[in-house]
Amino acid sequence: KAGVTQTPRYLIKTRGQQVTLSCSPISGHRSVSWYQQTPGQGLQFLFEYFSETQRNKGNFPGRFSGRQFSNSRSEMNVSTLELGDSALYLCASSRLAGGTDTQYFGPGTRLTVL
Amino acid sequence: AQSVTQLDSQVPVFEEAPVELRCNYSSSVSVYLFWYVQYPNQGLQLLLKYLSGSTLVESINGFEAEFNKSQTSFHLRKPSVHISDTAEYFCAVSDGNAGNMLTFGGGTRLMVKP
Repeated sequence: KAGVTQTPRYLIKTRGQQVTLSCSPISGHRSVSWYQQTPGQGLQFLFEYFSETQRNKGNFPGRFSGRQFSNSRSEMNVSTLELGDSALYLCASSRLAGGTDTQYFGPGTRLTVL
Repeated sequence: AQSVTQLDSQVPVFEEAPVELRCNYSSSVSVYLFWYVQYPNQGLQLLLKYLSGSTLVESINGFEAEFNKSQTSFHLRKPSVHISDTAEYFCAVSDGNAGNMLTFGGGTRLMVKP
């Protein structure tokens, strides 16, 4: 079974631009969560989608948004990029959304904002 | 609100020695507890999890963790480490009421020396 895939793996943008990251979950998984990982703040939850509905959202500004498609693939978008948005963005998928199901993480997209 | 504290940011240890990585959490509700491992340039992999039942949980590669409700701890142990165990380890908590949202600790870098 293929794992969670994220594209692109690396991305370089400049301040003020916007970016879209993509996550394809494991086949049959309906929940996708996104996390931001930085050296200073560690791993922080961005949002979770289940069956195309956002179930939870972390404490991030409105510049961070996401969506999930009917095939469970998910995208996250960051508008008006700031230097502090440089991070590794990880997505995780699971079958269910109750908190007990194992979440499988992708390799991440490393975003660098110049 | 939940929080997770990993008391040691780095743990150096010699190969074949025992190791304990400490994790304490705070939460006002019942929680589910997880340990994830991250190898360089990779995403997170689940090591083990505590949902309910026996307070001692084991992974397939020799790690174990014990849930201690009175001390709000979930320390990770291995009796004999290998060079290949060198990685960053993250303790995480969810409460099941917020879907799959995980709150992570700051991570512990385990450095196994020959």
